[in-house]
Amino acid sequence: KAGVTQTPRYLIKTRGQQVTLSCSPISGHRSVSWYQQTPGQGLQFLFEYFSETQRNKGNFPGRFSGRQFSNSRSEMNVSTLELGDSALYLCASSPRQGSANEKLFFGSGTQLSVL
Amino acid sequence: LAKTTQPISMDSYEGQEVNITCSHNNIATNDYITWYQQFPSQGPRFIIQGYKTKVTNEVASLFIPADRKSSTLSLPRVSLSDTAVYYCLVGDDNYGQNFVFGPGTRLSVLP
Repeated sequence: KAGVTQTPRYLIKTRGQQVTLSCSPISGHRSVSWYQQTPGQGLQFLFEYFSETQRNKGNFPGRFSGRQFSNSRSEMNVSTLELGDSALYLCASSPRQGSANEKLFFGSGTQLSVL
Repeated sequence: LAKTTQPISMDSYEGQEVNITCSHNNIATNDYITWYQQFPSQGPRFIIQGYKTKVTNEVASLFIPADRKSSTLSLPRVSLSDTAVYYCLVGDDNYGQNFVFGPGTRLSVLP
């Protein structure tokens, strides 16, 4: 079974631009959650999608948004990029709606650099 | 989610057994304990999950005392490739939670 696939692997943008990241979950998994990881803040939860609906959201500004398609693939969008948005963005999938008891399968992430 | 506390870093030598302890004093009845491993520039990888006593798989063992207020991840005979950050996550089956990963424990395995 193929793992969680995130594209692109690396991305360089300039301040003010917007960016869209993609995540393809493991086949059969219906939950996709997104995380931002920086050296200073660690691994922070952004949001979770299940059955095309956002089920939970972390403490991030509205510039961070996402969506999930009927095939469970998910995209994350960041508008009006700021230097502080430079981070490794990770997505994880699980068969059921996320809970801490669920085994999460992470992708390798998208390394975003904002110049 | 129960708050967890782990050592920030640990050093070990190849071939030694490493034990990383996670404290979770306010763990609830339905909470499970899950450990993840993360290498640089990669996503975390599930290692092991348990509820009580001892769980063992091909990679690690997880020891949970009767009061469940702490847990210990045991890595037998570590190698250089075990150098990574290890996260302890504690929570229950309530959906819609914010998954809070603490800073984890940075394990450095030395030759």
